[in-house]
Amino acid sequence: DTGVSQNPRHKITKRGQNVTFRCDPISEHNRLYWYRQTLGQGPEFLTYFQNEAQLEKSRLLSDRFSAERPKGSFSTLEIQRTEQGDSAMYLCASSGTSGGPTDTQYFGPGTRLTVL
Amino acid sequence: GESVGLHLPTLSVQEGDNSIINCAYSNSASDYFIWYKQESGKGPQFIIDIRSNMDKRQGQRVTVLLNKTVKHLSLQIAATQPGDSAVYFCAETRGQGNLIFGKGTKLSVKP
Repeated sequence: DTGVSQNPRHKITKRGQNVTFRCDPISEHNRLYWYRQTLGQGPEFLTYFQNEAQLEKSRLLSDRFSAERPKGSFSTLEIQRTEQGDSAMYLCASSGTSGGPTDTQYFGPGTRLTVL
Repeated sequence: GESVGLHLPTLSVQEGDNSIINCAYSNSASDYFIWYKQESGKGPQFIIDIRSNMDKRQGQRVTVLLNKTVKHLSLQIAATQPGDSAVYFCAETRGQGNLIFGKGTKLSVKP
């Protein structure tokens, strides 16, 4: 399978715990995006990377959230001190045959986070 | 605030009929539009895109129409099939790369 992969697919945690999600983009895609989707809503942009550089962060990305893409390949999204309001589907997408903003973004299956 | 939105939250069609899903956007600076299909428990799946210098684009059984005058986008699905049942999102980008999604339209296909 050469699509975007995300792990884990499901995560249940208790409030206050830290969680980390991983995204493996399509090989050689230089842009990687994180989105959050709550039930009944469209995905909301969180942040994106061009290679290893984090170029933009949404105001939704509070100080408890941090994302990395250290080698310009896979990325991790960490949420510290989780809150019930963090419960959502976290989606990763990658793009970048030309490296431009209008390259098609292909999404992974998402990680569903439930904070108890 | 500015957002990409949809006129109808749900759409029910008979198998074999054509479906039309509409979307309104508010920012005339948007230059790229995409339609995604999302099935339950899965990530959004790319269907078709269109750039702002185009009015129409066709794919396999799908057509996207862009009316910049009234800031309207539509997705037409020909000969709708049960496998087309899903939530459809339009999304726009304004040059930064991050997509701005609407709330989605749920398409139900009756056999």
